[in-house]
Amino acid sequence: EAGVTQFPSHSVIEKGQTVTLRCDPISGHDNLYWYRRVMGKEIKFLLHFVKESKQDESGMPNNRFLAERTGGTYSTLKVQPAELEDSGVYFCASSPARLAGPSYEQYFGPGTRLTVT
Amino acid sequence: AQKVTQAQTEISVVEKEDVTLDCVYETRDTTYYLFWYKQPPSGELVFLIRRNSFDEQNEISGRYSWNFQKSTSSFNFTITASQVVDSAVYFCALTFTGGGNKLTFGTGTQLKVEL
Repeated sequence: EAGVTQFPSHSVIEKGQTVTLRCDPISGHDNLYWYRRVMGKEIKFLLHFVKESKQDESGMPNNRFLAERTGGTYSTLKVQPAELEDSGVYFCASSPARLAGPSYEQYFGPGTRLTVT
Repeated sequence: AQKVTQAQTEISVVEKEDVTLDCVYETRDTTYYLFWYKQPPSGELVFLIRRNSFDEQNEISGRYSWNFQKSTSSFNFTITASQVVDSAVYFCALTFTGGGNKLTFGTGTQLKVEL
């Protein structure tokens, strides 16, 4: 079974440009999460999808970030326009619907390293 | 508010040494869940263990062991006879009933195991 995949693995863009990150969860997982780690700091929650619906987007930093999950499969996270402070590693995770409670582990992808110059 | 503190930023040990990674958490909830994840150089976070707040029994899995103590709000992780393959960043995380599914992470501990 394939794990969570993320694309691209690394992106370098200039301030003001737009970047779109993609996450493909484990097949059949209804829950999809985005997290971000800024250099040397903790990994912070951004948002949570259940299928195509946003269950919790309390961690989204501002309206320059837009997450979508059309069809309830893969998800995209767009940053427009990018700022220097958006640099970091963006992680995606998924978990099955039947194990959707807080007690069960989330399966993480390798992350996308975003560098804004 | 939930908070996880991993005071050790980086630890270096020589292979075969035992090493303990500290994790201290804060929460007002009585039902919560603690996790450890490993991040090897490949980047993905690998789940290691989950522990709920009602189960203080320590756990051992091979060379890994975990010590959960509610009295000190700690969930420490010990690697016995460390190996070079244990080199990674280790994250402690917390979630709780009523908080959705979001994980609150510590800042991570970089473990370097040298020959």
